[in-house]
Amino acid sequence: DAKTTQPPSMDCAEGRAANLPCNHSTISGNEYVYWYRQIHSQGPQYIIHGLKNNETNEMASLIITEDRKSSTLILPHATLRDTAVYYCIVRVEGSSGGSNYKLTFGKGTLLTVNP
Amino acid sequence: GAVVSQHPSWVICKSGTSVKIECRSLDFQATTMFWYRQFPKQSLMLMATSNEGSKATYEQGVEKDKFLINHASLTLSTLTVTSAHPEDSSFYICSAREIGSYSNQPQHFGDGTRLSIL
Repeated sequence: DAKTTQPPSMDCAEGRAANLPCNHSTISGNEYVYWYRQIHSQGPQYIIHGLKNNETNEMASLIITEDRKSSTLILPHATLRDTAVYYCIVRVEGSSGGSNYKLTFGKGTLLTVNP
Repeated sequence: GAVVSQHPSWVICKSGTSVKIECRSLDFQATTMFWYRQFPKQSLMLMATSNEGSKATYEQGVEKDKFLINHASLTLSTLTVTSAHPEDSSFYICSAREIGSYSNQPQHFGDGTRLSIL
């Protein structure tokens, strides 16, 4: 699976949009981009994923560049409860099941939302 | 939505004892579950992939006899840390993938089990 690069930390003011970048320059055509976050002392929470089109759900938006070498997770109106480590993961989709679905977590970005 | 429950959420025990951690998918069936370990201020590291009805697949460097995994049903996987020692103290997290879901569907994670060995 392709490696990802994220800034180690970011700050955002409460109520403002948080834009978290992720570089995945070695991504291949069949790899999806996933975003998870981990609030302190909890398990990771799924946020969103995409292949090449921009995606939006109730939590966030995912913007993937046309060449797919980078993406940005957007939290439109950050709250204090959005303070967490955000992980960007790229993963190949396997059809044979089992370990083909495993996720490899990097160090992520610690987003701190300030009042 | 899909919920994964882990039990216990926190356990403290003496060195040399064995500890069993349960991972249950509450409202869906999971052919595949994953076990991760996370040390303080570090990222999650995959330990093993648990497949219902078959042997688990362990990542390189993870001792099979130390970390016993059983996935006897489509809703339950267990991780047993045998003869635990202080260096096994960590945050153990499981995730599950819904059976029959599209290949790009996300995994769902439990809230983790914090294990402290004295």
